[in-house]
Amino acid sequence: DIQMTQSPSSMSASLGDRVTITCRASQDIGNYLSWFQQKPGKSPRRMIYGATNLAAGVPSRFSGSRSGSDYSLTISSLESEDMAIYYCLQSIQYPYTFGAGTKLELK
Amino acid sequence: QVQLKESGPGLVQPSQTLSLTCTVSGFSLTSYSVHWVRQHSGKSLEWMGRMWSDGDTSYNSAFTSRLSISRDTSKSQVFLKMNSLQTEDTGTYYCARLTTPFDYWGQGVMVTVSS
Repeated sequence: DIQMTQSPSSMSASLGDRVTITCRASQDIGNYLSWFQQKPGKSPRRMIYGATNLAAGVPSRFSGSRSGSDYSLTISSLESEDMAIYYCLQSIQYPYTFGAGTKLELK
Repeated sequence: QVQLKESGPGLVQPSQTLSLTCTVSGFSLTSYSVHWVRQHSGKSLEWMGRMWSDGDTSYNSAFTSRLSISRDTSKSQVFLKMNSLQTEDTGTYYCARLTTPFDYWGQGVMVTVSS
């Protein structure tokens, strides 16, 4: 199975901060990488697909990038509604596998 | 609009079989795949399997032969059956349509495996 190593596991940041979360794939996954946001008691919501594409309805402060086997989710200017857990997902090979998650909290 | 809704028992005894239903509306199961994803409490997400639009299925091998996904297109329902349940199978089970640029998820159903 493809392992997705996500870092950090948690982080605290201030409103307006630039925040970056990273996932590293154990094998080549091309651009088959999505980022999901999950708030407490809610279902996940995809934010980024194809490594760099903004999902429908997602604010433009969110962006995705790739450097080799490292994939990043960046929030350019943190807002209070962005506090959540973020997961990456590879969908190039079965079984699809998620990262362990990054809990983003307000400092 | 597109909706998915999971239903099933909240409590299952160890070694028994879990049966969940995902009822969809706003789209046809013959046009879109539906995935099952579970989440242990406070833990990450785990992809379980997929019902393709043509009726084929794909499974996470971690569940070996104890997982089965089927459907009834006339009722717009996708079913998950998993046998030999253990306490480690406790969690929230989601069905989802993971299309782009929109994805759709059910609200999830909490399942507790306990005697």
